Amino acid sequence: EAGVAQSPRYKIIEKRQSVAFWCNPISGHATLYWYQQILGQGPKLLIQFQNNGVVDDSQLPKDRFSAERLKGVDSTLKIQPAKLEDSAVYLCASSKRENTEAFFGQGTRLTVV
Amino acid sequence: EDQVTQSPEALRLQEGESSSLNCSYTVSGLRGLFWYRQDPGKGPEFLFTLYSAGEEKEKERLKATLTKKESFLHITAPKPEDSATYLCAVQGLDSNYQLIWGAGTKLIIKP
Repeated sequence: EAGVAQSPRYKIIEKRQSVAFWCNPISGHATLYWYQQILGQGPKLLIQFQNNGVVDDSQLPKDRFSAERLKGVDSTLKIQPAKLEDSAVYLCASSKRENTEAFFGQGTRLTVV
Repeated sequence: EDQVTQSPEALRLQEGESSSLNCSYTVSGLRGLFWYRQDPGKGPEFLFTLYSAGEEKEKERLKATLTKKESFLHITAPKPEDSATYLCAVQGLDSNYQLIWGAGTKLIIKP
């Protein structure tokens, strides 16, 4: 079974530029998550989708971050404009249902300079 | 407010030296507690889910246990390949299925 795919693996951008991350979840998984992980900390949920709909985006900085899940499968996370404090690893995860274990992709390491 | 605290922050052991990692949690009602392993440069890898106090699960050298306030990850006779950061997360009954994560314990096993 293929795992969660993310791209790109690494990205370096200047502050105030925009960036987009892509995620393809495990086939058949209804729930998709985007997390931000800063070095030495646990993951912080940015947004959670159940199929096409948003379940929780309470910690998403909506003035600069946006996310969508196309046809309940792939998802993109965008940052515009980026700030220095956005430097982190962005993890995508998926699960069969909301209360089952999540499986993570390798993440995208973003550096904002 | 739901909260998860992991201790210690870091743990260095000799190969074969057994020990335990702690995950203390505060949640209004527990839906599930999850343990993950994270290697450098990779996403977290699922290990266990525990649902009720008294429950135990095992996988190779790892054993996870759960009480009403904390969970332990016991590591028996660890090997260098067990070196990783171990993350704990809880899902509360009132949390809209959101996972609350601890900061992790970095485990280093020296040969």
